[in-house]
Amino acid sequence: AQSVTQPDIHITVSEGASLELRCNYSYGATPYLFWYVQSPGQGLQLLLKYFSGDTLVQGIKGFEAEFKRSQSSFNLRKPSVHWSDAAEYFCAVGALESSASKIIFGSGTRLSIRP
Amino acid sequence: DTGVSQDPRHKITKRGQNVTFRCDPISEHNRLYWYRQTLGQGPEFLTYFQNEAQLEKSRLLSDRFSAERPKGSFSTLEIQRTEQGDSAMYLCASSRTPQNQPQHFGDGTRLSIL
Repeated sequence: AQSVTQPDIHITVSEGASLELRCNYSYGATPYLFWYVQSPGQGLQLLLKYFSGDTLVQGIKGFEAEFKRSQSSFNLRKPSVHWSDAAEYFCAVGALESSASKIIFGSGTRLSIRP
Repeated sequence: DTGVSQDPRHKITKRGQNVTFRCDPISEHNRLYWYRQTLGQGPEFLTYFQNEAQLEKSRLLSDRFSAERPKGSFSTLEIQRTEQGDSAMYLCASSRTPQNQPQHFGDGTRLSIL
């Protein structure tokens, strides 16, 4: 079965510092992967997606993520965080070969920014 | 692209009452999804429509829950005889085919059961 693990429940970084949020997935088929961001009381906004091709994908708001098949990982990075990046971040996985259309979300990582 | 719209944003009701939520997807999207999100968790899949056909339902969707998308446009999610455990954020998303297209989410309906 598909699963997504986000090992860090809460991370605090200083404004201007670099950020890496971890995501590990489990699925036997070829995955497609997403990162979403959610501000309090809001829905989820897509940051970036990986389907195939270049394993380093660029997203909105200066975020990027790297797909590493050998490590079953899809970590999210940003070189310099801004106070407005404080939010909940969700990694999600679906499967291209699957007839199911749902995607599976991790439990999220809450990002706090230290002034 | 006007985004996915959900109504109401908040619903407070007493245990045992019925509630209905509405979702208007992005107009050119033929796929529509419902998710439930509880505090501190990621969204959990409930059900999915392609056009007006409900193609998949999660085991989370008990017989008190019913979803419709009668004309392949907006969708409704009804919960009958609400219970305390139904308190959650109910999120709607829509997408194009094929299935690897990203899902675009609405801002959700927060349900509180008194």
